[in-house]
Amino acid sequence: GAVVSQHPSRVICKSGTSVKIECRSLDFQATTMFWYRQFPKQSLMLMATSNEGSKATYEQGVEKDKFLINHASLTLSTLTVTSAHPEDSSFYICSALRALAKNIQYFGAGTRLSVL
Amino acid sequence: DQQVKQNSPSLSVQEGRISILNCDYTNSMFDYFLWYKKYPAEGPTFLISISSIKDKNEDGRFTVFLNKSAKHLSLHIVPSQPGDSAVYFCAASVRGGTSYGKLTFGQGTILTVHP
Repeated sequence: GAVVSQHPSRVICKSGTSVKIECRSLDFQATTMFWYRQFPKQSLMLMATSNEGSKATYEQGVEKDKFLINHASLTLSTLTVTSAHPEDSSFYICSALRALAKNIQYFGAGTRLSVL
Repeated sequence: DQQVKQNSPSLSVQEGRISILNCDYTNSMFDYFLWYKKYPAEGPTFLISISSIKDKNEDGRFTVFLNKSAKHLSLHIVPSQPGDSAVYFCAASVRGGTSYGKLTFGQGTILTVHP
């Protein structure tokens, strides 16, 4: 149990295009999901908290208009990187909070975004 | 401001021996701690956790120790196996309030277990 699916696993796009990443909790409902970004050899940096049915909460320094988050159902959150630029190239990881499981986040496999 | 620190970037251990991964934190509000294992190009996998009301939690080969006065926790893996080779992240959270569920991660420690 506690499976989180993230899609796509890898995406290459041209500068200026938008990219959507999906995060699904497959066997549990998640009112809260999180989006992280990881640079090479660095820790996971929380970008935003995605709450089902309400606006996402962004961490300081993260552009809301750049990284659009939608959490329309209890099993799906999406992150859209708008007008992507090469500096947005990174590894993006989502997680879902299984509230009944002691505050443990379960992670997707991540998405490698490369912007040319 | 690095609130969770893993000061050892890497650790090399012989198969069958004990692996000890360390983690320090500065925020006294943290009351729940977790260890995650991560392979390259994959998301972290939950390993074990501990609440601040405990000082030890054990699950098979994995044991987490918490020293609240020192703001220090450690993960012991015994016996270590080559398949344990991965990056290990410790994470901390404050349960409840507006920070509910948010995790603060350390930088990670690369564990290599040699056959």
